[in-house]
Amino acid sequence: DTAVSQTPKYLVTQMGNDKSIKCEQNLGHDTMYWYKQDSKKFLKIMFSYNNKELIINETVPNRFSPKSPDKAHLNLHINSLELGDSAVYFCASSPTSALEQFFGPGTRLTVL
Amino acid sequence: QQQVKQSPQSLIVQKGGIPIINCAYENTAFDYFPWYQQFPGKGPALLIAIRPDVSEKKEGRFTISFNKSAKQFSLHIMDSQPGDSATYFCAGTTDSWGKFQFGAGTQVVVTP
Repeated sequence: DTAVSQTPKYLVTQMGNDKSIKCEQNLGHDTMYWYKQDSKKFLKIMFSYNNKELIINETVPNRFSPKSPDKAHLNLHINSLELGDSAVYFCASSPTSALEQFFGPGTRLTVL
Repeated sequence: QQQVKQSPQSLIVQKGGIPIINCAYENTAFDYFPWYQQFPGKGPALLIAIRPDVSEKKEGRFTISFNKSAKQFSLHIMDSQPGDSATYFCAGTTDSWGKFQFGAGTQVVVTP
């Protein structure tokens, strides 16, 4: 299936831990994004990469570090997790020539 | 500062009714306005989008009305069905990198 996939789907962890979320797209898109959706469902962009280059870097704590090993993958590493990091994190991708973004299924992160 | 304001937060309509969701934006440089539909446990998916040089766009039962002078746009769901029950997000963006500013979302419930 052609899609944006994320792993894991659920992530439950203790405060202070470090965790990673992986994202892969097989749509051939050049641009990938990370969004955070909070408990009120508000969607906010965090980062965007175009062809492995960081192009959007919103005001997020530097505990969050994206990494793009190639244009089909964009991973999110979070250090020293805090309670406020609990949210659903969505990866998305789009072709450079178009604005439609295709979202993954989300990763629900719960920090205890 | 929320650049796209969306209302109402939620609404309930009977099958066949026409839910209307309104959005207002502040940034006059926005040139692309998508609507995304999100079902519980899923990622958002593009529903319909409009450019500011068009006053109305229809795709199936979904219609966007756009008022550039008022900096407002709205989504109408004609002949709504229970399967349309979802959260709807409006957004605006000003650049080709797709840095969307999302509205807060509207949860629509269509009762049988």
